[in-house]
Parts: sequence; C-alpha cells; structure tokens
Amino acid sequence: KNQVEQSPQSLIILEGKNCTLQCNYTVSPFSNLRWYKQDTGRGPVSLTIMTFSENTKSNGRYTATLDADTKQSSLHITASQLSDSASYICVVSPEATGYSTLTFGKGTMLLVSP
Amino acid sequence: NAGVTQTPKFRILKIGQSMTLQCTQDMNHNYMYWYRQDPGMGLKLIYYSVGAGITDKGEVPNGYNVSRSTTEDFPLRLELAAPSQTSVYFCASSYGTGSNQPQHFGDGTRLSIL
Repeated sequence: KNQVEQSPQSLIILEGKNCTLQCNYTVSPFSNLRWYKQDTGRGPVSLTIMTFSENTKSNGRYTATLDADTKQSSLHITASQLSDSASYICVVSPEATGYSTLTFGKGTMLLVSP
Repeated sequence: NAGVTQTPKFRILKIGQSMTLQCTQDMNHNYMYWYRQDPGMGLKLIYYSVGAGITDKGEVPNGYNVSRSTTEDFPLRLELAAPSQTSVYFCASSYGTGSNQPQHFGDGTRLSIL
C-alpha cells in the first residue's frame, strides 16, 4: 500500500531560526514528490515539485531535497518568519500512464513564535 | 486572479438532506478534482475529471456524485447526507498530470452534518 509518513507531527520554532521537516514514502514506482503549504482555513499551495532525477529544488527560503534510493525527502526552511506558520504537506505521485492518485501525508504543523 | 473558487465556505446540513458544493476555475485547466480532508488525516480523492463530460471515481466516492458539463465547473453533489461526511472539501485543478503540473486548490467548503 502506498504511504507517506511525515515527521515531526508538529514543531514550534523561534522567528529567524531554521528548521527541517521530514517525509518518508513507500510509493513505488515513483514519479514525483511535491511539498505544499497550507495556511489555517485555506487550501494547499504548491511549494516545490521534484522528479525522480532531481535531488534538490528551492523556492525562496524553502529548499526541498529528495533521496529516491532511501525514499526520503526533507523541506528546509531558512530564516523562518511568522508567516511560515502553517501545515506542510508532502505528496507523492506514483509512476503511471494517464492519471494516477496522489498519496498525501498528514502534514507537519509548524508554529513560528516571535 | 480568481484561480479556483468554491462556494459555500461553510454549511450545516441535517442528516438526510442533500446539497451541491460548487467549484469553478478560470485557468482553462483540463483536470479537476474533489478531495476531503478530515482532522489529522491526509487529503483523500473523491472524484476527478480529465475534461468536460469525463469523470471518474477516486478513493472515497461513496455518497457523492459529480458532473462536468463545462471546462470551468465541477460541482460535487451529496445525496442523503450522513454524519460521516462531515469534513472540509477541497476542489483543485491542474493543466495536466505531469511532474511540472501542480494542483491549484480552492479554499475549501467546511461542511457539518448534524
């Protein structure tokens, strides 16, 4: 069964500090891995998408890494801001022709404290 | 830029009532999706559509119906509402399903069945 596990479940950091969120998956064969940010009361917003052949991708202060051999990904947030407080969701797409169902993680809830 | 618009934002239904959740997108995307997000769980796909007139079931379709008469609109119908359908419903759209095609989400409809 395809699964996506995220850790930690929640995290509190001080404004200006860095943090790293983890994602382990069992989806196979694998096509791409996505990170989304979901603010409270809003829909998810795409941060990065990485294919099997990419091992890092950045979007401003967000940097995602991917190790397809160990089936692990991380999202690193640099110099955190209060607006980074949100749930971060890891999503994995299996390899298939046509449409294939994405597998969503439960998310890591990040709180950036002043 | 409107993107994906969902209405209503909140709704309370009585058991056995019916309602339609509306979703419209202005990005001319071929693919549209309906997800539900339960507390502490990853998003689950209810139905999806690859174009006008074409719909297919996702992981959790029971108790729901959809139609896609235009590219822009993808309404979700709940018949005979049950307490288990209390959830937050998200509509999403994408141009395609490739690795460079993120899904764009609406801000959700929060539905309570009492």
